[in-house]
Amino acid sequence: TQLLEQSPQFLSIQEGENLTVYCNSSSVFSSLQWYRQEPGEGPVLLVTVVTGGEVKKLKRLTFQFGDARKDSSLHITAAQPGDTGLYLCAGEGSGGYQKVTFGTGTKLQVIP
Amino acid sequence: DTGVSQDPRHKITKRGQNVTFRCDPISEHNRLYWYRQTLGQGPEFLTYFQNEAQLEKSRLLSDRFSAERPKGSFSTLEIQRTEQGDSAMYLCASSVDLTGPGANVLTFGAGSRLTVL
Repeated sequence: TQLLEQSPQFLSIQEGENLTVYCNSSSVFSSLQWYRQEPGEGPVLLVTVVTGGEVKKLKRLTFQFGDARKDSSLHITAAQPGDTGLYLCAGEGSGGYQKVTFGTGTKLQVIP
Repeated sequence: DTGVSQDPRHKITKRGQNVTFRCDPISEHNRLYWYRQTLGQGPEFLTYFQNEAQLEKSRLLSDRFSAERPKGSFSTLEIQRTEQGDSAMYLCASSVDLTGPGANVLTFGAGSRLTVL
């Protein structure tokens, strides 16, 4: 079983602060996806990182894939209340149908 | 196409009753997944279909759970003799049949929330 542990589990910060969410595993993944989920909705894809060491930026969000493709991080600069939600990393396996396994989740609250 | 649709959005039932959830994926997506999610946690894989074939089923899934995708389009997830521990959000997702790293991008429905009293 491929397990993805996220930290922290909960994060409550003031608007304007920076934060980093970590996603760690002992397994190697062919890619790492990050999703954001709002209450009562399904997760929505933010980004996919494929290459070890890859860094992708999406406005104030920066995503990094570890060199060994076992871990990833999400950094948010100057957080805003609209960033509030559940952030999920998901690892894509190799071979077959590339099963997507989700992490344990990080619940972020940004206080105005 | 309006995305992945799930019905019903909410279901409240008494312990021991059977419930069925329906998922309509994006029409050109031939991969379909069911996940279960409890509050604040990440989705947990239940089962996967490639067209009408059920190719993987989680070992965590008891015999009370069954899923079908008879014509390779919509899918149903049935839970028999529900237990309080079955209370969760049941999420359906679909994707295009592409291979290669990063190709398997899931589009989720809004989920069906089950409450077992």
